[in-house]
Amino acid sequence: DAKTTQPNSMESNEEEPVHLPCNHSTISGTDYIHWYRQLPSQGPEYVIHGLTSNVNNRMASLAIAEDRKSSTLILHRATLRDAAVYYCILRKGFDSGNTPLVFGKGTRLSVIA
Amino acid sequence: GAGVSQSPSNKVTEKGKDVELRCDPISGHTALYWYRQRLGQGLEFLIYFQGNSAPDKSGLPSDRFSAERTGESVSTLTIQRTQQEDSAVYLCASSSRQGTNSPLHFGNGTRLTVT
Repeated sequence: DAKTTQPNSMESNEEEPVHLPCNHSTISGTDYIHWYRQLPSQGPEYVIHGLTSNVNNRMASLAIAEDRKSSTLILHRATLRDAAVYYCILRKGFDSGNTPLVFGKGTRLSVIA
Repeated sequence: GAGVSQSPSNKVTEKGKDVELRCDPISGHTALYWYRQRLGQGLEFLIYFQGNSAPDKSGLPSDRFSAERTGESVSTLTIQRTQQEDSAVYLCASSSRQGTNSPLHFGNGTRLTVT
C-alpha cells in the first residue's frame, strides 16, 4: 500500500483556518485520498475524500496537488471541537469490493481558545 | 438513523479467560470491519467481512482471535485465553455498497482490560 506522511502534531487558534498537510509521493493512479478524524474517546469519523479535483463539503475542503503527491485538508474556521487526530489515508478505487482502511499515526490537532 | 453499536462499552477480564465483543452495524451495510487500538497508538486492522465473500482475516494477530458475522448483520469478535497485551479498544465499522469509496462508519468501541 502507498504510504502517507503527516506531521505528528499541529496547533491552531480558535476561529482561524487550519491547513493539515499530507505527503503521498508513491500514490498510484487508482488511489483515492481519504481523511478521517478521531475525537477523544470516540471512533474515527469520515471527513472527506477525493481523487484529482479539489473537494468541498460541510466539514472541510480538500486541496489536491496537480501531481497528486500531496494534499491538504482545510478547516476553514477551527473550533475547540475540531481538536482531534486527523488521518490521511490512500484507498484503492476499484469496484471489486470494499477494502479496509490502513491508518497511520495521523496529525494531532490542538485548538487554542 | 442509528449508527454502529458496540457492546459492551467496557470489559474487564482476567488473564486466560475468553471474551466476546459484539458489533451491530448500520442496517443494510454490506461490509463490516474490526480494528484494534492500543493506548496512545494508531488503529490496527484485524478482519473484514464483505457480503457473502470469505472474510479477510489477514490482520488477526494470532489464532486466539476469531470473528463471525451472521449474514449482513451482527458480528462477534472472540478472543480466547486473553493476555495482558490484548488490552485495547476494539473498534467496529461498517460501510455500504460495493466500491472502495464508501465511508466507514465507526462505533465508539469496546475498551478491553485484561488483568
